[in-house]
Amino acid sequence: LAKTTQPISMDSYEGQEVNITCSHNNIATNDYITWYQQFPSQGPRFIIQGYKTKVTNEVASLFIPADRKSSTLSLPRVSLSDTAVYYCLVAPYSSASKIIFGSGTRLSIRP
Amino acid sequence: DTGVSQDPRHKITKRGQNVTFRCDPISEHNRLYWYRQTLGQGPEFLTYFQNEAQLEKSRLLSDRFSAERPKGSFSTLEIQRTEQGDSAMYLCASTQAAAGGWIYNEQFFGPGTRLTVL
Repeated sequence: LAKTTQPISMDSYEGQEVNITCSHNNIATNDYITWYQQFPSQGPRFIIQGYKTKVTNEVASLFIPADRKSSTLSLPRVSLSDTAVYYCLVAPYSSASKIIFGSGTRLSIRP
Repeated sequence: DTGVSQDPRHKITKRGQNVTFRCDPISEHNRLYWYRQTLGQGPEFLTYFQNEAQLEKSRLLSDRFSAERPKGSFSTLEIQRTEQGDSAMYLCASTQAAAGGWIYNEQFFGPGTRLTVL
């Protein structure tokens, strides 16, 4: 099972771009990379998912280099409401039971 | 509200008692997951269902844990003879997935049930 490593915490300011990097050296060929956001006392919420290169949606971008051993979640122009824990997951798209959440990155946004 | 719901939101019980949690997934979703989350950690996968079939249960924490989804709609998670170490948030998630094929891993999580075992 692929293991992920993320920074424990990060701080930034409103209006800044925030990049959170996740390391997954043992990623397998059929593994996808998914990011979730979690606020206190709530369940995680899906942010973005990708396999390679770059994926962008209305809230974030996901950058995956060619070797796929890491990925970077990019949050443009963060606000106070982006203060949360962010989880990087690596799991094969064909096996729901191999989903492993790590300890996540606690992002704190300051005014 | 058409999201995933869980009941109860909080449960306090005494050690040795049995508890049961309920999860109602998004109505059109055929796959349902259970997770446990302890303080400061990410969710830990426990089990999942495709419709009424429980496809993976080897990661249930012990034989005191069991889950059912009798009609392929709501699901229950039961913990028998609770221990203080069972205190955690229990999360349910659902998604629409094709059996044996592509799985779109966007899972929709409920608010969780917080269990406290005294």
